[in-house]
Amino acid sequence: QVTLKESGPVLVKPTETLTLTCTVSGFSLSDSRVGVSWIRQPPGKALQWLTHLFSDGERSYTASLRSRLTISRGTSASQVVLTMTNMDPADTGTYYCARKIGWAPFDCWGQGALVTVSS
Amino acid sequence: DIVMTQSPDSLAVSLGERATINCKSSQSILYSSNNKNYLAWYQRKPGQPPKLVIYWASTRESGVPGRFSGSGSGTDFTLTISSLQAEDVAVYFCQQYYTTPTTFGQGTKVEIK
Repeated sequence: QVTLKESGPVLVKPTETLTLTCTVSGFSLSDSRVGVSWIRQPPGKALQWLTHLFSDGERSYTASLRSRLTISRGTSASQVVLTMTNMDPADTGTYYCARKIGWAPFDCWGQGALVTVSS
Repeated sequence: DIVMTQSPDSLAVSLGERATINCKSSQSILYSSNNKNYLAWYQRKPGQPPKLVIYWASTRESGVPGRFSGSGSGTDFTLTISSLQAEDVAVYFCQQYYTTPTTFGQGTKVEIK
């Protein structure tokens, strides 16, 4: 069974750095054509794709947030880590990690992690 | 970026009746080389993660009931629930995966009338 689960802080202060971890099971991050994305949804707004990590290690980022985002493998082989610097209240929302295989939609999503940015 | 616009924002349908949700992309998401529309539909129930329902605009994901169907091509797409059931109450949103960044519609909330 394929699962993804996000973990990390619920509350972050403005200007701080957010670190979220996506732990996957039921598949390998090294499987051919597999990739994991981070996607967020601010309250009342549409889902916004942030970044993607391909199985070969290549990365892609949304242009508007490129300078603040880093996606990487975690300390465990089954983890993908999102780092977002200089957090702002506008970054409040639910952060999801999701899997896709090749040039395709996301076939499996995590439950989501609600992150609030407030002093 | 490709803008995805859904309509309506919400709709209330009686049990057993048809529910129709529209999604329009700001440019064509039909890839001429393979004649595929890079359009997916997701369902998100309260407290649950999004679930893939339809991909390639009209292909049902494994396990999705036959009452769900997708149609359309180019820039205009539709998700139809032919006979609404209580368990279909959810927010539905479309996604284009034709280009990076992938983009999503704002969502349509489906309720029981």
